[in-house]
Amino acid sequence: EAGVTQFPSHSVIEKGQTVTLRCDPISGHDNLYWYRRVMGKEIKFLLHFVKESKQDESGMPNNRFLAERTGGTYSTLKVQPAELEDSGVYFCASSQSWGQGRFEAFFGQGTRLTVV
Amino acid sequence: GDSVTQMEGPVTLSEEAFLTINCTYTATGYPSLFWYVQYPGEGLQLLLKATKADDKGSNKGFEATYRKETTSFHLEKGSVQVSDSAVYFCALSGGFKTIFGAGTRLFVKA
Repeated sequence: EAGVTQFPSHSVIEKGQTVTLRCDPISGHDNLYWYRRVMGKEIKFLLHFVKESKQDESGMPNNRFLAERTGGTYSTLKVQPAELEDSGVYFCASSQSWGQGRFEAFFGQGTRLTVV
Repeated sequence: GDSVTQMEGPVTLSEEAFLTINCTYTATGYPSLFWYVQYPGEGLQLLLKATKADDKGSNKGFEATYRKETTSFHLEKGSVQVSDSAVYFCALSGGFKTIFGAGTRLFVKA
């Protein structure tokens, strides 16, 4: 069974440009999450989809970030326009619901974004 | 809000040394606790987990016990190998969102 897949693995863009990250979750996982690790700090939650709906987007840093999950399958995270502080590793994860909040999230390899 | 605090790294050990990476948490309710590992050039992998107090998670020689009284989930391994060199993240989840610590980088020397 394929795991969570993220594209691209690395991206270097100039400040002010647009970048779109893609995540393909494990087939059948309704829950999809985006996280970000900036400058060696903790991995921070960005948002959570249940199928195609945004369940929780409390971690999105500002309106330059737009996440979509059309059809409840893959998801994209667009940064427009990118700023220097957006550099970091963006992780995607997916999970099934086990109930009572006890679940296991499977993570992708991450996309390393560098804004110069 | 919920949070996780883990010891800062890097931690440098010689092969076959004993490893402890401390992790404490603050949470409402009864979260599940996790250790994730990121090997060089790879993604995050679940190393072990514990879902209730006094549970011990174990995998690949690593162990951690869910201590509710001390709100801790310290990671231990009796004899580390060079291949254990990686970044280790302590994490908790009380619902769907996972809260991570800052990560501890481990270097193991031959």
